Amino acid sequence: DAKTTQPPSMDCAEGRAANLPCNHSTISGNEYVYWYRQIHSQGPQYIIHGLKNNETNEMASLIITEDRKSSTLILPHATLRDTAVYYCIVGSRGGADGLTFGKGTHLIIQP
Amino acid sequence: DTAVSQTPKYLVTQMGNDKSIKCEQNLGHDTMYWYKQDSKKFLKIMFSYNNKELIINETVPNRFSPKSPDKAHLNLHINSLELGDSAVYFCASSPYDGYRGYTFGSGTRLTVV
Repeated sequence: DAKTTQPPSMDCAEGRAANLPCNHSTISGNEYVYWYRQIHSQGPQYIIHGLKNNETNEMASLIITEDRKSSTLILPHATLRDTAVYYCIVGSRGGADGLTFGKGTHLIIQP
Repeated sequence: DTAVSQTPKYLVTQMGNDKSIKCEQNLGHDTMYWYKQDSKKFLKIMFSYNNKELIINETVPNRFSPKSPDKAHLNLHINSLELGDSAVYFCASSPYDGYRGYTFGSGTRLTVV
């Protein structure tokens, strides 16, 4: 079973920052937080991951609370192409034993 | 230049048949995976495999078996197909350190009639 809780859906206006929350209160000390997204009918796409520090890459920023029980994925300037299901996943480093996907958040970017 | 490629993209077959889905990755990754996405869009891991270890999700029927001829390939064989096997199957790969996460293929839509 997934160890994360996410809102089932969210709306965001195009050009605005999209902030997607995730709760993972049972995360273990050596587990990472991963974010993936799945655009309709495509394979999931890796976005970003982190352990305890905030992370930023060309796609997004990841803010992890100090107690590591929750995190927020930030898409700084959402476009219509960011409409997708976003998955927050907790797993071991590298996820070599397999990542467990939950239900995710369906993010809809409104024009 | 496709990083993780699956064939076929679509597969329609009758109950009771045996079929295979092929997966190849050209990323030099160490570990490969098979995921199943059912009609409710839940993504469930079926197998993870590297050169040393096969990890099987205990809920996967033994009609499903992964075959890896080499590090770059992980094929999925399915025997005695059932209606409930209809789903989209995704192959994925990751490097040992997982620094860039998993790379998924575009999926194979299997329909059992």
